[in-house]
Amino acid sequence: GENVEQHPSTLSVQEGDSAVIKCTYSDSASNYFPWYKQELGKRPQLIIDIRSNVGEKKDQRIAVTLNKTAKHFSLHITETQPEDSAVYFCAASNTGTASKLTFGTGTRLQVTL
Amino acid sequence: GAVVSQHPSWVICKSGTSVKIECRSLDFQATTMFWYRQFPKQSLMLMATSNEGSKATYEQGVEKDKFLINHASLTLSTLTVTSAHPEDSSFYICSARTTLAGVSYNEQFFGPGTRLTVL
Repeated sequence: GENVEQHPSTLSVQEGDSAVIKCTYSDSASNYFPWYKQELGKRPQLIIDIRSNVGEKKDQRIAVTLNKTAKHFSLHITETQPEDSAVYFCAASNTGTASKLTFGTGTRLQVTL
Repeated sequence: GAVVSQHPSWVICKSGTSVKIECRSLDFQATTMFWYRQFPKQSLMLMATSNEGSKATYEQGVEKDKFLINHASLTLSTLTVTSAHPEDSSFYICSARTTLAGVSYNEQFFGPGTRLTVL
């Protein structure tokens, strides 16, 4: 089955700096890669996703890049703000009725003033 | 749109009792629902996948007789933790996915979670 690794486990940046979180996956059949933000005690919230036919996607301060050959994808947050502090999870899945998400281990992002 | 609710949001029960958690898709038909468990400071671990009207598919290591899943309609799935023990204390999160025109969409919509504490 799919295995998703995520680094780093914790990340501390100063407000205004950029943050980068990296994930690798093992199953070459995976073609959907979402990123979630989870605040303490709350549900995961989809912040951006990318499909395997695209190499990069951007939404305001958030961008995701995908390298299918190397089987890795990254989340980039620019101009970080204190409200970006949370745990971020990457995930991977393939398509089809039997598809399921495999989550990375999570990155705790702390944005300091 | 695409709202998923869970009930209850938290529950405390005694060891040996059973607890039922409901997951509802409020504004769409959920052809597939997923149940996850999340221990403190850990990732979401998929427990089982359920399709409306059929038996759930459990992940390896998840006891199907302990975690009973029912997906009787396109808007409701339930998870029953039978004979709960303290080690079952966790955050249980459901998610739902829809199918349109025969295409199963990847995106899952998550419920707010249920915090179970077993004394």
